[in-house]
Amino acid sequence: EAGVTQSPTHLIKTRGQQATLRCSPISGHTSVYWYQQALGLGLQFLLWYDEGEERNRGNFPPRFSGRQFPNYSSELNVNALELEDSALYLCASSGSVGAIGNTIYFGEGSWLTVV
Amino acid sequence: AQRVTQPEKLLSVFKGAPVELKCNYSYSGSPELFWYVQYSRQRLQLLLRHISRESIKGFTADLNKGETSFHLKKPFAQEEDSAMYYCALRTSGTYKYIFGTGTRLKVLA
Repeated sequence: EAGVTQSPTHLIKTRGQQATLRCSPISGHTSVYWYQQALGLGLQFLLWYDEGEERNRGNFPPRFSGRQFPNYSSELNVNALELEDSALYLCASSGSVGAIGNTIYFGEGSWLTVV
Repeated sequence: AQRVTQPEKLLSVFKGAPVELKCNYSYSGSPELFWYVQYSRQRLQLLLRHISRESIKGFTADLNKGETSFHLKKPFAQEEDSAMYYCALRTSGTYKYIFGTGTRLKVLA
């Protein structure tokens, strides 16, 4: 069974540009989570999508946005890139969120470098 | 505020020594706690969760609601345990996963 897949693996952008990162969840999973892992800061929660709807977002500015498609894949868009957006962006997926013991499964991440 | 605290950024122990990775949480509701591990060049993966009360790779963790802690323990560390460990809290209702900043465990030969 394929795990969570993310693309691209690496992305280099110039300050002010836009970046788009993509995520395909595990087959059968309807929830997708996005996290930013900047150096020394651990995993910072960005966004959570479930059944095509944004369910929750972290303390990030509106230039971080995304969506979830009917096939449950998702993309994260970062507009007006700033140098401090350079980080590893992790996507995770899960099944039915209401289930006790529900866990999330991570992809390998997309490295975004802003120069 | 909902928060997960891992006070140690780095923990070094010798092979065969006991290991305890600390995790404290702040949450007013009923928490679900998890430990995730990231080995070198691998993706972040689930190690164990408190509701399962299981031992994985010799690791155990007990949820202590009085002390709001979920420390990860192993009686005898192995070199292959060297990795980054993250404690995570899942909130009820909003189903948000909140991660700590992680602890790097180095097991020395």
